[in-house]
Amino acid sequence: EVQLVESGGGLAKPGGSLRVSCAASGFAFSSYTMNWVRQAPGKGLEWVSSIKSSGAHINYADSVKGRFTISRDNAKNSLDLQMNSLRVDDTAVYYCARQASYRSWDYFDYWGQGTLVTVSS
Amino acid sequence: DIQMTQSPSSLSASVGDRVTITCRASQSISSYLNWYQQKPGKAPQLLIYAASSLQSGVPSRFSGSGSGTDFTLTISSLQPEDFATYFCQETYSIPFTFGPGTKVDI
Repeated sequence: EVQLVESGGGLAKPGGSLRVSCAASGFAFSSYTMNWVRQAPGKGLEWVSSIKSSGAHINYADSVKGRFTISRDNAKNSLDLQMNSLRVDDTAVYYCARQASYRSWDYFDYWGQGTLVTVSS
Repeated sequence: DIQMTQSPSSLSASVGDRVTITCRASQSISSYLNWYQQKPGKAPQLLIYAASSLQSGVPSRFSGSGSGTDFTLTISSLQPEDFATYFCQETYSIPFTFGPGTKVDI
C-alpha cells in the first residue's frame, strides 16, 4: 500500500525557518518525481515544488523561489522541504504528492494527509 | 504561466442529479488536464487524468472530456459521497497550476 506521511509542521515566526518532511512507503520511491503542494486555510491548491527521481532536476513556484529548498533521500525514502524567510502568507497545509506518468501525461496519484505550517508573530 | 479558471465556483445539487463542471485554460494545454476531488479536512484524490482517463478505483459515474483550452468533469448521477470540492490541474508546463475549485453541496 502506498503511503505518504508528512511531519514537521508547526508554528514559526515571520522571517523564521521550518523543515517539513514526507516519509514514503509501499512503492519504489527512487523511481518517482515528488512534489509539494500547499493549501492556505479555506483556499485552493498551489503547487510549490517538484524534484525528479534522481534529484537532479528541481522546480519551484515563483512565490517560494530563493526561500524554499526541496530535497530527497532515496536511501531513506524521504522527501524534505526546507522553508526559510517564512512569510505570513506561507501559512498553509503542506502536502507531498507522488507524480505518476502515463506516456507524456503527468498526474498526482497519491497524496499525504498534509502537515499544517502556521507563520505568525 | 498558464491560468486556470473553473465554473461555477459552487453549485447546489441533489442526489441523482447530473452535474457538469467546466475548467478553462488560458492557452492550449492539449489534454494535459487532471481532476481531483477534495473533502473537508482530507487530501485531494485523483479522479481523472489526461483529460478523460478514469483513475483506477474511481466510480464510472465520473467522466472527463475536452482538449485545448476547454474541459468538463461530469458526474452522471450524484451520490451522497460526491459532495466535495473539485479542482482541475494542468500539467502541460511548470508550474502545474490548479483551478480555483468548484464546491458541490446539497
